[in-house]
Amino acid sequence: EAGVAQSPRYKIIEKRQSVAFWCNPISGHATLYWYQQILGQGPKLLIQFQNNGVVDDSQLPKDRFSAERLKGVDSTLKIQPAKLEDSAVYLCASSLVRGDNSPLHFGNGTRLTVT
Amino acid sequence: AQSVTQLDSHVSVSEGTPVLLRCNYSSSYSPSLFWYVQHPNKGLQLLLKYTSAATLVKGINGFEAEFKKSETSFHLTKPSAHMSDAAEYFCVVRGLSGSARQLTFGSGTQLTVLP
Repeated sequence: EAGVAQSPRYKIIEKRQSVAFWCNPISGHATLYWYQQILGQGPKLLIQFQNNGVVDDSQLPKDRFSAERLKGVDSTLKIQPAKLEDSAVYLCASSLVRGDNSPLHFGNGTRLTVT
Repeated sequence: AQSVTQLDSHVSVSEGTPVLLRCNYSSSYSPSLFWYVQHPNKGLQLLLKYTSAATLVKGINGFEAEFKKSETSFHLTKPSAHMSDAAEYFCVVRGLSGSARQLTFGSGTQLTVLP
């Protein structure tokens, strides 16, 4: 099966600019996650979708970050305006269903550098 | 609240020697525990998981981990390291309910395998 697809792979922007990342989960996976991985740290959950509804966005900095999954398939994560501390790898993951028996499948990530 | 501590940020072993990556967790209840591996510029891949069944868990590529409740540990081991094992490894905990059901990642252990 095709894996989780993310684009772009790399993005360099200046602070205060905006940026968007795209994720296409594995076909049929209802649950989609966005994680932020800062260099030297483990991934941190930003937002979780179940189909097109938000399950958990408690760690999403909503003043600058937004995400949507309008048709319950692809998802877009946006940052506007970007700050230097947003430099990180943004990982998308999907799972068939919620719960312990449904493993997460991760994409290769988008590496964002804010200068 | 739940947390996970990976005791070594870097581990270096020679090819053919045993691997030990240490992880301690903190959780109010019996958690689910996972190990993920991340190769350079690749997505995270699930190595193995513990979900309250057998305390010795076998994973892919010859890795295994033992859940020790008395020590709150979930160390990852492999009898004989291979060059392809060089990667970053993350210990992950998931609690039982609410926001604790989200995955909490450790800060990672970088494994280097020397020829």
